[in-house]
Amino acid sequence: DTGVSQDPRHKITKRGQNVTFRCDPISEHNRLYWYRQTLGQGPEFLTYFQNEAQLEKSRLLSDRFSAERPKGSFSTLEIQRTEQGDSAMYLCASSLSGIGQYFGPGTRLTVT
Amino acid sequence: EDKVVQSPLSLVVHEGDTVTLNCSYEVTNFRSLLWYKQEKKAPTFLFMLTSSGIEKKSGRLSSILDKKELFSILNITATQTGDSAVYLCAVEAGGSQGNLIFGKGTKLSVKP
Repeated sequence: DTGVSQDPRHKITKRGQNVTFRCDPISEHNRLYWYRQTLGQGPEFLTYFQNEAQLEKSRLLSDRFSAERPKGSFSTLEIQRTEQGDSAMYLCASSLSGIGQYFGPGTRLTVT
Repeated sequence: EDKVVQSPLSLVVHEGDTVTLNCSYEVTNFRSLLWYKQEKKAPTFLFMLTSSGIEKKSGRLSSILDKKELFSILNITATQTGDSAVYLCAVEAGGSQGNLIFGKGTKLSVKP
């Protein structure tokens, strides 16, 4: 499968715990994006990488959120001290120089 | 503030009907408009539109952009039950090179 992959697909955690998600983009894609989607809403942009450089961060991305793409390939999104409001689907997308964005299956986070 | 508005929010039709989904936008420095189909998983890329008046077509789906009136439509002819999904419109805009601004989506239900 050469599409975008995300791991894990589902995560249940208790409030206050840290969680980390991984995204593997389509191999030749240089851009990688993270979005968050809640029920009944379209995805909301969180952050974006071109190669290993994080070029843009939404103001939605509080200090508890951090993302990395250390070698310009896979990316991780970490949420520290999770809150119930963090419960959402976290989507990763990739593109080749901005031409379309192809989404992965998402990681559904539930904070109890 | 940049925004994307889709209408209707939900639509119920019968197999064989033709539907038109609407997307209007108000953004700074428009770059492109994208349509996605979302079933119970991540959004699937349908079309990317950058120029006015040029119809993009894929099977029974087609889309066109009007940059003067700031809207796009997505047409689906001879609808099938498998077309049931949420259709998302997103716009890439502003000084950013990455993030998409999504509408809330149109939930299409096709009844047999």
